[in-house]
Parts: sequence; structure tokens; C-alpha cells
Amino acid sequence: QKEVEQDPGPLSVPEGAIVSLNCTYSNSAFQYFMWYRQYSRKGPELLMYTYSSGNKEDGRFTAQVDKSSKYISLFIRDSQPSDSATYLCAMSVNQGAQKLVFGQGTRLTINP
Amino acid sequence: SQTIHQWPATLVQPVGSPLSLECTVEGTSNPNLYWYRQAAGRGLQLLFYSVGIGQISSEVPQNLSASRPQDRQFILSSKKLLLSDSGFYLCAWRRGGSRGYTFGSGTRLTVV
Repeated sequence: QKEVEQDPGPLSVPEGAIVSLNCTYSNSAFQYFMWYRQYSRKGPELLMYTYSSGNKEDGRFTAQVDKSSKYISLFIRDSQPSDSATYLCAMSVNQGAQKLVFGQGTRLTINP
Repeated sequence: SQTIHQWPATLVQPVGSPLSLECTVEGTSNPNLYWYRQAAGRGLQLLFYSVGIGQISSEVPQNLSASRPQDRQFILSSKKLLLSDSGFYLCAWRRGGSRGYTFGSGTRLTVV
């Protein structure tokens, strides 16, 4: 079993839709959770960062962490064609951890 | 501001040839440095990380090696490339204790 599972998609939705991206994990010691966005042929860029359980909102993006279910989500409201990218979840045991564990990435396309 | 440079962007190499990928970080000192590989449709696999000059930790045994000859320089090498070494190689840095990583733009390596 992989430490982090993420549906690779692809996921295609119309412009303006609400998008839900999800990851599950098996290591209950994970405390720091991140979402990265990766455009084609580019390096990933940090989108959201959360600690422990709860919600965090940044503009059209909301990250949710449910540690009891070992489940994290990223919601995108009013999706735009520019949101088309691969979204990777990542997590670590502590902030000083030398490595992040990444999900496989979900390829998202927003259709105009 | 801090920037990370990675080159070349694209590389096609024959099986059995050597490899040298270079990554440099500007605008910071004593960064934690990382090499990741991303195979098609798969997540990021950590290859090496370094917390200081000459300090290299290897995550997976393979045909690759890494070196850190200077504080802000990280090099990924191979003496003889294999077909299975093809992939998208990403360098990343993180300031100790900070959140997440900052990735370079990546090198797409194709071994033929």
C-alpha cells in the first residue's frame, strides 16, 4: 500500500464548476499537508499549506484536512481555464522533515 | 529574492553515456537541497537530499549519484545511463524550518 494515494484522473470539468481533489494516506504521523500545482513541463509550485486538521482558504482555493479519516481535499471554486494543471498532494511528519511524500498527482482540465 | 536555476531543460542521451545535471540556488545560504524524479503519470520520487556541503543522503539505490561541491550548488550524475533513467528530474530547495519546497523548472531526460 502506498503511503499517499491520489486519483490520477484525468478530471475534466466546465469553466465555473467547483472542483474537488482528494488524497488519502496511511501514515497517521503526518501532520503537515500541502498542495502543489504543476503546469505542463514545469516544476511544481506550492499552492496551499496546512497543519493538522481543519480548513484553510485562500481566494478560490480551500484546503481541508481530516486526520481522523486520513483524508485531505482541495476545493477550487469558480474554476478557470488557467487552473488546468496537475495537482499534487504532499505531506510530512514534521516541519523539519527532510522529505515530503507526494501523491501521484491529478491531471485537471477546465473547459471554457 | 531567492531563485533556483536548473539546466539543461531537455536532454537526450544514449544508453551507457554519462550524465551531469546542475542546480543552483541564489539569494539564500545553507539551503536544504533535493533531487526528485517524476516518471510519466507518476508522483515525485525523492532521489537525494543534502543539508550542507558534502552531505548527501540517498533515498533509493540506483544508477545515480549526487554531489554538493558548494553551498548553493547541487549536481546529479551518472556514469552510465540506463533506459530506466528517463524521466523528469526536478531540483528543489527549502530553507531550514520553512514551509514546503521551491522547485526548479526541471530537466526532461530521455535515454535512447
